[in-house]
Amino acid sequence: GEEVAQTPKHLVRGEGQKAKLYCAPIKGHSYVFWYQQVLKNEFKFLISFQNENVFDETGMPKERFSAKCLPNSPCSLEIQATKLEDSAVYFCASSRPLRGLDVNEKLFFGSGTQLSVL
Amino acid sequence: KQEVTQIPAALSVPEGENLVLNCSFTDSAIYNLQWFRQDPGKGLTSLLLIQSSQREQTSGRLNASLDKSSGRSTLYIAASQPGDSATYLCAVDAGNMLTFGGGTRLMVKP
Repeated sequence: GEEVAQTPKHLVRGEGQKAKLYCAPIKGHSYVFWYQQVLKNEFKFLISFQNENVFDETGMPKERFSAKCLPNSPCSLEIQATKLEDSAVYFCASSRPLRGLDVNEKLFFGSGTQLSVL
Repeated sequence: KQEVTQIPAALSVPEGENLVLNCSFTDSAIYNLQWFRQDPGKGLTSLLLIQSSQREQTSGRLNASLDKSSGRSTLYIAASQPGDSATYLCAVDAGNMLTFGGGTRLMVKP
């Protein structure tokens, strides 16, 4: 069946380099979420999109992190000038429309991108 | 600010045992609660979603309950198998993001 596709699976960057991660949500899903997983199970919400519009960006370290979801393109999460503490697994998730209203929809997660900053 | 706690942090049981994983949350204003499974190096798999108006959901050997007023959920796994070994996470949905617990690492020994 369809799944959330994240690329690349692994990314290695030297400190100060740029990192760009991609996420293709499940077709028909209008909500996209990015999470950062540091130290195994400590997930941190970064940002969410409703189609190409930012829905909630309260978790984003805005000085170096940016994200986009453009029509007909995979969503992206970009980190400028990476730091050692950015090393983590970055998960993307998507869900169908009407989220948070009458319809409760499951989140479907990608398998993540492991970013290692050396 | 929503806080989600899972107990125990780790659990090791022999095959065949029934077990209960616990999840508690501080803010009862939630839309739903989800239980996920994470295998090493893999992404999350959604197991069960309980809407705020529901008390429980069942899928195969899994049963999840929700007591919103007391801020608690349990995941019951019947007749555990070695293939159930994974990390189990609960997450509460306040409408704009999920807040995750720290997870319970389960090991089921043959």
